[in-house]
Amino acid sequence: QSALTQPPSASGSPGQSVTISCTGTSSENNYVSWYQQHPGKAPKIMIYEVSERPSGVPDRISGSKSGSTASLTVSGLQAEDEADYYCSTYAGGNTFFGGGTRLTVL
Amino acid sequence: EVQLVESGGGLVQPGGSLRLSCAASGFTLSTYWMHWVRQAPGKGLLWVSRMSPAGSIIYADSVKGRFTISRDSAKNTLYLQMNSLRGEDTAIYYCARAAGNNWFNPWGQGALVTVSS
Repeated sequence: QSALTQPPSASGSPGQSVTISCTGTSSENNYVSWYQQHPGKAPKIMIYEVSERPSGVPDRISGSKSGSTASLTVSGLQAEDEADYYCSTYAGGNTFFGGGTRLTVL
Repeated sequence: EVQLVESGGGLVQPGGSLRLSCAASGFTLSTYWMHWVRQAPGKGLLWVSRMSPAGSIIYADSVKGRFTISRDSAKNTLYLQMNSLRGEDTAIYYCARAAGNNWFNPWGQGALVTVSS
């Protein structure tokens, strides 16, 4: 079992930067991805392989990892960034998700 | 356009069965790793099962022996057969295509399964 731990909440004012952590990732691979989920909607990929952005995701969204802790940073906060964010990893054939972080734009 | 559309959700009594479908368009489903992920009301995401292009299958411990993932290549559709359903299986079930090193894109819109008497 690979338990991923995220803070339940995070917040920031418009224009500020917020970083969400995800502890429990493997230090042996880069299989970390991040998903954004707005209420009533399906999750959407934001970051894959720790720091890669799919096309269409703005460059103010970034990811990093140090040891067993991955991080998602949202810079230049906008109202549309208010959502739940989930980290995910892959280990032993299984996929694991963190408990999710609700990002509030104040 | 690459798209996944789930169907088959609904209300079922404890101990009952339900089959979810996930119709793919814009790509050939059998050439990708395909997954089911669920989300209980107000809760986080929980991985359920996956099928590889070669047909290799893995289940989460919580559904092992009760759920069966399968696909119909001719219909380009993924399925999740759910038997012996319990209240804790109540959730929105999403199918998702895996790209590269196990990141999911796209996701379907989700199918709500409610297990209640």
